[in-house]
Amino acid sequence: RKEVEQDPGPFNVPEGATVAFNCTYSNSASQSFFWYRQDCRKEPKLLMSVYSSGNEDGRFTAQLNRASQYISLLIRDSKLSDSATYLCVVTPYGQNFVFGPGTRLSVLP
Amino acid sequence: DAGVIQSPRHEVTEMGQEVTLRCKPISGHNSLFWYRQTMMRGLELLIYFNNNVPIDDSGMPEDRFSAKMPNASFSTLKIQPSEPRDSAVYFCASSHSISGNTIYFGEGSWLTVV
Repeated sequence: RKEVEQDPGPFNVPEGATVAFNCTYSNSASQSFFWYRQDCRKEPKLLMSVYSSGNEDGRFTAQLNRASQYISLLIRDSKLSDSATYLCVVTPYGQNFVFGPGTRLSVLP
Repeated sequence: DAGVIQSPRHEVTEMGQEVTLRCKPISGHNSLFWYRQTMMRGLELLIYFNNNVPIDDSGMPEDRFSAKMPNASFSTLKIQPSEPRDSAVYFCASSHSISGNTIYFGEGSWLTVV
């Protein structure tokens, strides 16, 4: 089993739709969690950290379920500019940043 | 503040040649990471350093790859000899610590080996 797994995608959604991405991780000792965004031919950039209580940043909501070793990202009212690949990132204690394979999102006009 | 700086941005080289990629991490960051990204394999960690010391190089594909970090502000990734299958984007990234803090990427070095 891979350390971090994500929905394979791609997700093709119309503008204004709500879309949710899922991510599971295998190391129960993982301490920190993030969602990164990567645009085509660009470097990954931090979208948001994921906190145990869940957190929201505008149209984006992240949730963490430690018992199920599961992370989610919800995007409401999707925009054309949200089209990108979304990478789930897990940081096991004392180890490096482990990236999931990413889920590609295309928001269509 | 300047972000992670990588050079060269693009390189095309012939099989068998030596390739050296360079990275300057964000000032004050004590962890540095080298990743490789391809369509087939996604983002793979090659090696990471903490306080200039290599911590885990298990992701380095084979002996043709080597990485150094002579000081806190500079690292190199060397491929010798290069092969076509090494064609990929190589990202350098830095962080303030191994875990807990976010990681920041450079713009990548796009390598094509022909």
